[in-house]
Amino acid sequence: QLQLQESGPGLVKPSETLSLTCTVSGGSISSSSYYWGWIRQPPGKGLEWIGSIYYSGSTYYNPSLKSRVTISVDTSKNQCSLKLSSVTAADTAVYYCARHENVGVVVAGTYFDYWGQGTLVTVSS
Amino acid sequence: SYELTQPPSVSVSPGQTASITCSGDKLGDKYACWYQQKSGQSPVLVIYQDSRRPSGIPERFSGSNSGNTATLTISGTQAMDEADYYCQAWDSSTAVFGTGTKVTVL
Repeated sequence: QLQLQESGPGLVKPSETLSLTCTVSGGSISSSSYYWGWIRQPPGKGLEWIGSIYYSGSTYYNPSLKSRVTISVDTSKNQCSLKLSSVTAADTAVYYCARHENVGVVVAGTYFDYWGQGTLVTVSS
Repeated sequence: SYELTQPPSVSVSPGQTASITCSGDKLGDKYACWYQQKSGQSPVLVIYQDSRRPSGIPERFSGSNSGNTATLTISGTQAMDEADYYCQAWDSSTAVFGTGTKVTVL
């Protein structure tokens, strides 16, 4: 059974960089069939896609966050990572990693079928 | 940027039908999917590619998508269906989530 587990600091200071890791177990992050995405949810609010990465390193980012986001992959550790720079209180959220199918150059029609449990990151001094 | 709009809340009596709409420009030209999120839990996919159900999702969940609106229908709603529901689609290789609908089973 595929499992995704997010990990990282639960508290980050304003203006610093948020760093999270998603560890995949029960499957390979190097599968040609899937992308690995990051999604966040501020407390009491809705879901926001941050970006997705393929095992080759190919990425798609949410244009609204693109200037501050870096997603990377480490196939040897079966992990992908998220870095979000210059954080503010507005970046306080539960951060999820999730899988979606690789459907080609233009991403359309795919869906997030496996999700991690999420990790709460609070931005505060 | 592309937006998907849902009603904030829907109330339904046990055993009745709940319909949740998701509106977006020419949404019917894209595939829509739906997630259920119970309190304190991660989202769960309940409908993908407009109307297909993943394995393990009850038949009472169904979906449709046409024009500017996708609809999630829960037939014979049960107390366990009380949750937040989010639609999602892709636009220009960007995943967009709907604003979310809280379904209350009265």
